[in-house]
Amino acid sequence: KAGVTQTPRYLIKTRGQQVTLSCSPISGHRSVSWYQQTPGQGLQFLFEYFSETQRNKGNFPGRFSGRQFSNSRSEMNVSTLELGDSALYLCASSLGLQGHSYNEQFFGPGTRLTVL
Amino acid sequence: AQSVTQLDSQVPVFEEAPVELRCNYSSSVSVYLFWYVQYPNQGLQLLLKYLSGSTLVKGINGFEAEFNKSQTSFHLRKPSVHISDTAEYFCAVSVYSSASKIIFGSGTRLSIRP
Repeated sequence: KAGVTQTPRYLIKTRGQQVTLSCSPISGHRSVSWYQQTPGQGLQFLFEYFSETQRNKGNFPGRFSGRQFSNSRSEMNVSTLELGDSALYLCASSLGLQGHSYNEQFFGPGTRLTVL
Repeated sequence: AQSVTQLDSQVPVFEEAPVELRCNYSSSVSVYLFWYVQYPNQGLQLLLKYLSGSTLVKGINGFEAEFNKSQTSFHLRKPSVHISDTAEYFCAVSVYSSASKIIFGSGTRLSIRP
């Protein structure tokens, strides 16, 4: 089974631009979560999508948005980029079943975004 | 709200020595507990997890962790480390009702000296 894939792996943008990152989950997984990793703030949860709907949301400004397609692939968009948005963006996929059942999350290799 | 505190930002240790990476958590509800490892320029890999039951959990690569509810701790241990264990280690929690949202600690960088 193929793992979680993220494209592109590296990206350089300038302030004020917008960017779209892509995540393809493991086949059969319906939940995709996004995380931002920076040296200063560490790993922070951005949002989760399940069956094309945002199910959970972290504390990030509205410049950060996402969507999920019917094949469970997800995209994350950041508009009006700021220097502080430079980070490793990780996505994770899981079956996403709720209730008192644990579904392991599998992480992709990340997209490293540099904002100049 | 939940939070995770990793008490050591860096832990240097000699090869073949034992190591313990410390983690404390705070939560008003029951949580799942995890340890993840991140090698340079890679994503996160799950080392082990505590869901319920036995408080001693064994993971991959010879790591184990013990859940202590009274001390709200989940320390990671390995009896003998190798150069290949050099990485950053993250302790994390998630609540039952929102298991896809993982709250991470700040990480502990483990450096192995030959």
